[in-house]
Amino acid sequence: DAMVIQNPRYQVTQFGKPVTLSCSQTLNHNVMYWYQQKSSQAPKLLFHYYDKDFNNEADTPDNFQSRRPNTSFCFLDIRSPGLGDAAMYLCATSRDGRGVQQPQHFGDGTRLSIL
Amino acid sequence: SQKIEQNSEALNIQEGKTATLTCNYTNYSPAYLQWYRQDPGRGPVFLLLIRENEKEKRKERLKVTFDTTLKQSLFHITASQPADSATYLCALGGTGRRALTFGSGTRLQVQP
Repeated sequence: DAMVIQNPRYQVTQFGKPVTLSCSQTLNHNVMYWYQQKSSQAPKLLFHYYDKDFNNEADTPDNFQSRRPNTSFCFLDIRSPGLGDAAMYLCATSRDGRGVQQPQHFGDGTRLSIL
Repeated sequence: SQKIEQNSEALNIQEGKTATLTCNYTNYSPAYLQWYRQDPGRGPVFLLLIRENEKEKRKERLKVTFDTTLKQSLFHITASQPADSATYLCALGGTGRRALTFGSGTRLQVQP
C-alpha cells in the first residue's frame, strides 16, 4: 500500500544534541510537509517542499532545518533541541492540485523526547 | 490573526446517536475546509473536503456543512459507533495555498 513512513516512531535525545527525523513516501506526491504537534494542540506547520522548492513558515525557529534529497525522502533536522521542542513531529504529503487544494496524507509521526 | 475554534471539551454520546462537531473560524476567508480524524499516537487521516461554494458534502455516515456567512463548519457522524471514538480536526486552506491551518480538534467518545 502506498504510504508515508516516519522513522523512528520514538526518539530520545539530549538537550542541545542535534537530531534528525526521517520521512519517506511511496505516493509520489510532489509536496511534503513537516508539522509539530504538542499534546492536545493543533498540528503547527513548520515548512513544506513543493518539489525542491523550500517554503518556510514565518514563525518557524531557525533551530529547525529540512532537507529533501529526492521526491521520496524528507528530513527534519533540529540543530540544538531545547525542552520546548519535545513534541510529536508529523510528516505529510499531497499532490499538487494546481491551485485546487488536495487532501494531505500523514505518517504516524515521531514522538521526540528531550532529556 | 486567524483563529480556528473547536470545542476543547470532549463530546460524549451514546452509540447509535448522531455526533455533531463544530468548527468556527475568524479573520479568515477559506476557500476549502477539510476534516481529519486522529487516533492517539497516530497521524491525522483525511475524511472530507468541502469547498466554499458547497453547502454540504456527504460520505457514507459522514456529513459536513460549510457556512461562510456564519464562518462555521459542522461535522456530523450518524449512527455513531464506539469505533468512531477519536479526535476530529478541522483544517482551513486558501485558494492557491497548499498549506492548511489546523484547529486543535474535538475528542469524540462514543459509549456502547
